[in-house]
Amino acid sequence: EVQLVESGGGLVQPGGSLRLSCSASGFIFSSYAFHWVRQAPGKGLEYVSAISPNGDNTYYADSVKGRFTISRDNSKNTLDLQMSSLRAEDTAVYHCVGESTRAFDSWGQGTLVTVSS
Amino acid sequence: DIQMTQSPSTLSASVGDRVTITCRGSQSISSWLAWYQQKPGKAPKLLIYKASSLESGVPSRFSGSGSGTEFTLTISSLQPDDFATYYCQQYNSYPVTFGQGTKLEIK
Repeated sequence: EVQLVESGGGLVQPGGSLRLSCSASGFIFSSYAFHWVRQAPGKGLEYVSAISPNGDNTYYADSVKGRFTISRDNSKNTLDLQMSSLRAEDTAVYHCVGESTRAFDSWGQGTLVTVSS
Repeated sequence: DIQMTQSPSTLSASVGDRVTITCRGSQSISSWLAWYQQKPGKAPKLLIYKASSLESGVPSRFSGSGSGTEFTLTISSLQPDDFATYYCQQYNSYPVTFGQGTKLEIK
């Protein structure tokens, strides 16, 4: 069974940093591209970042470029998102998402990040 | 960025109804369109990929169609479990973009 479990969310002050992690199991992690998608409270889905299966290629939404860094460790089946210079508008549930040939077919339950003083 | 526009934003329907949700792209995305269902407090669930391919385990009452810039998700006979929010997503090019969502409510 495919399982993605996020961790690392919490309350952080504006300007602060946080590192999210996603632990994967039940499939060949190194074969999948991975993404972070966030959802602010009561709002829709917003794309954040992507990383290729081997980690060589990354992508960031303009809203997080220069502040967030995505990385992966294929030997540990983990995906990370290092977030810095956090703003109130970064408050959201962050989902780790695996992409196969069938679009975004594997989603974690998400971890809540709250940016507030 | 490719904008995805869903309509309607809210849809009220009854069990047994046939419903259709439309998603339009600001430019052609070929068939790189997916549909997701999301229930409160849960992660989105993939229903349809590549515009019309049904994800494994998804009931056959769900179907997708379209190509280019216009797409539809149809539920042939609504069941109580189908009341949720539905999102379309284009994955033709970065940034991947989602529609704003369609909330399907019980009439």
